[in-house]
Amino acid sequence: DAKTTQPNSMESNEEEPVHLPCNHSTISGTDYIHWYRQLPSQGPEYVIHGLTSNVNNRMASLAIAEDRKSSTLILHRATLRDAAVYYCTPAYNNNDMRFGAGTRLTVKP
Amino acid sequence: KAGVTQTPRYLIKTRGQQVTLSCSPISGHRSVSWYQQTPGQGLQFLFEYFSETQRNKGNFPGRFSGRQFSNSRSEMNVSTLELGDSALYLCASSLGHSSYNEQFFGPGTRLTVL
Repeated sequence: DAKTTQPNSMESNEEEPVHLPCNHSTISGTDYIHWYRQLPSQGPEYVIHGLTSNVNNRMASLAIAEDRKSSTLILHRATLRDAAVYYCTPAYNNNDMRFGAGTRLTVKP
Repeated sequence: KAGVTQTPRYLIKTRGQQVTLSCSPISGHRSVSWYQQTPGQGLQFLFEYFSETQRNKGNFPGRFSGRQFSNSRSEMNVSTLELGDSALYLCASSLGHSSYNEQFFGPGTRLTVL
């Protein structure tokens, strides 16, 4: 059965980098790895996604392991506005996203 | 461009009743996915519709069903409501049925079953 595992919670200091890990051992070769985050009282929002190579965008970077069974979301300089629950998942069968419980990120000033 | 809209935003029902929730995707998006979010279970996938056909399905009982119309709008229905169905129901739209496309989520419908 498809399953992703993430730490329940992580803490970071403001302006410091944060590395959020995710394990997705049931991934197949064509499944993109997606990351989303959910701020309080809002629906999840897209952060970043990738297939094999590391990816960068204005929000974050995504580091993907060579065997693709794990990935790490990198926030280069955490701000208070980055405090949220972060979810990762492969997009199985083209668009089947099996989010887990996510990682609650706390950013301390 | 307008985002994903969901109606109603809040709903209160009693056990045994049925409910229909609606989702309008972003213009041009043809795939709609539905999720149930509860404090204990997190964000759980219900089903995905693309071109009016169910393409993927999560591990939910048959009481949960959905459909998609030719304009890509989608509805989900829950029959014979149980207390445990109280949750935030989220829909998300994406351009197509592809692992590459990111999903855009609506604000959700908060369902309370009494």
